[in-house]
Amino acid sequence: GENVEQHPSTLSVQEGDSAVIKCTYSDSASNYFPWYKQELGKRPQLIIDIRSNVGEKKDQRIAVTLNKTAKHFSLHITETQPEDSAVYFCAAGDNFNKFYFGSGTKLNVKP
Amino acid sequence: DTAVSQTPKYLVTQMGNDKSIKCEQNLGHDTMYWYKQDSKKFLKIMFSYNNKELIINETVPNRFSPKSPDKAHLNLHINSLELGDSAVYFCASSQHGTDTQYFGPGTRLTVL
Repeated sequence: GENVEQHPSTLSVQEGDSAVIKCTYSDSASNYFPWYKQELGKRPQLIIDIRSNVGEKKDQRIAVTLNKTAKHFSLHITETQPEDSAVYFCAAGDNFNKFYFGSGTKLNVKP
Repeated sequence: DTAVSQTPKYLVTQMGNDKSIKCEQNLGHDTMYWYKQDSKKFLKIMFSYNNKELIINETVPNRFSPKSPDKAHLNLHINSLELGDSAVYFCASSQHGTDTQYFGPGTRLTVL
């Protein structure tokens, strides 16, 4: 089955700095890679996703890159703000409704 | 207007009891999921249903039995509850496995 590894497990940055979270996956059949943000006590919510036919996608301060050959993808947050503080999860899915999450990264943005 | 709803929000029960969690989505999606999030916040898929058919059944004790009466509902029944079952259980839905998943608010299960 798929194995999604996520690093780092915790990340502390100063407000205004950039944050990068990295994930690797094992199953070459995976073709959908979303990123979810989960605030304390709340449900995970999609912030950005990328499909295997695209190498990079950007949405304002958030970007995701995908390297299919190396089987890794990354989340980049620029100009971080305190409200970016949360747990971020990467995930990998395929056409057979199989969907696996990484172990999560707790991001702390210090004002 | 709630897209994915779960009941109950909190569930406190004794070891050995049987309990159910209900999930409903009004998004018209054909795929629904159950996840378990433990105290370390790790989100682990338990089951996936597509058009009422079981697609994924990860290594989950057979005390856990999902039931999908129709495409809009996926319930989770748990028999003989154990202390280790304490966690937050999230239901989610998507149109396909390769599409955005929308999560329910979660059910915090505490087994005493």
